[in-house]
This record gives sequence, structure tokens and C-alpha cells, in this order.
Amino acid sequence: KAGVTQTPRYLIKTRGQQVTLSCSPISGHRSVSWYQQTPGQGLQFLFEYFSETQRNKGNFPGRFSGRQFSNSRSEMNVSTLELGDSALYLCASSQDDPVGAFFGQGTRLTVV
Amino acid sequence: AQSVSQHNHHVILSEAASLELGCNYSYGGTVNLFWYVQYPGQHLQLLLKYFSGDPLVKGIKGFEAEFIKSKFSFNLRKPSVQWSDTAEYFCAVNWDYGQNFVFGPGTRLSVLP
Repeated sequence: KAGVTQTPRYLIKTRGQQVTLSCSPISGHRSVSWYQQTPGQGLQFLFEYFSETQRNKGNFPGRFSGRQFSNSRSEMNVSTLELGDSALYLCASSQDDPVGAFFGQGTRLTVV
Repeated sequence: AQSVSQHNHHVILSEAASLELGCNYSYGGTVNLFWYVQYPGQHLQLLLKYFSGDPLVKGIKGFEAEFIKSKFSFNLRKPSVQWSDTAEYFCAVNWDYGQNFVFGPGTRLSVLP
């Protein structure tokens, strides 16, 4: 069974630009959640999508948004990038029960 | 606000030593508890989980954890560590419905051969 796939693996963007990250969940998983991982703040929850609807949202500014498609694939968008947005962005997928989430390798975003 | 703390930032052990990593969460209610491990260069992997029932749960690779509700704790243990256990360990708690976890800051474990 294929794992959670995130693309691209690495990105370099300039301040003020926007970026879109993609996540393909494990087949059959309907929940996709996104996390930001930084050395200073650790792992922080961004948002969760289930059946194309945002089910939970973390404490991030509106520049961070996401969506989920009918095939459960999800995208995350960050607009007006800031230097502080440099981080590893992780996607996790799960079935809709508390079995825990399965994480992808992440997308390393560097904002210069 | 909901929070998760981990007792140690960095733990250094020799092979065959016993391991216990502490994890506490901020308040009660119904919780789902997890330990994840991140080996160098790899993605986060689920070690074990607790939802209900027996408070002593067993996970992969010989790890176990004990949920103590009165102490809001979920400590990870392994009787005898190996060099290959060198990794970062994260405790995570889920209070709400859905898959939004609050993670602890992580504990880096270094096992010396």
C-alpha cells in the first residue's frame, strides 16, 4: 500500500510570493491534516479536511489555506510568503476513526 | 489552551539501558494519546496509541506506554534500547473529534553503541 505522498519535496520561494503544496493520502483515507514543523515551534497543526470540508483549524493566519478534492487529495496554499514561513510542511492521512495518522515525508519550504 | 509537554529535551543512553520518556498533557476529558518516532531522515511513524481500555499499551519495536489519567501522563518505556532506537520521539494528544493533534516538543534519544 503506497504511503502518503507529498510534492514537491523542496521549494525555494521569495518573500511575497505564494506557494501551493500537494498531498496524496493513503488510498481509502478520507481525512487529511497539515502540520508545520520548525525548530523553534515544533509541530503545529494547521488544518484538517474530511470529505472535502475543513473539519478543524489551527491557530494560523488566513494566509494559510487548504482544500481537499473528491479523491481525497489535498492542497495547501500560503499567500504573501514571509521569512518565518520557512518550515517543513507535513501532511497526514487517516481513516475516520482514532487509529492515528500516517505522515508523509514533508515539503521543505525555504522563503528567501 | 491545550498543550503537551515532554520531560526531556535530549536523552543519552548506552545500549541495553532502560528507557522512559515522560509526556504530560494540559487537562483531562476524553483524550486519544499517541507516540510517534522520527528516525534521522525519515518521516514520522506511529509507535503506539491509546484510546480506551487497558492503560498499558504495547507498540512496535518493543515499546510500551502507560496512561495514568490522574496524572494526565502517557509515558513511553522500553526495557532495553538499541543503537537503532536513536531518533526523535514525539508525544501527541487528540482531544477533539478528528485528526488534529497537539504535539509535544519532542525528545531526542541518542543511544551509544
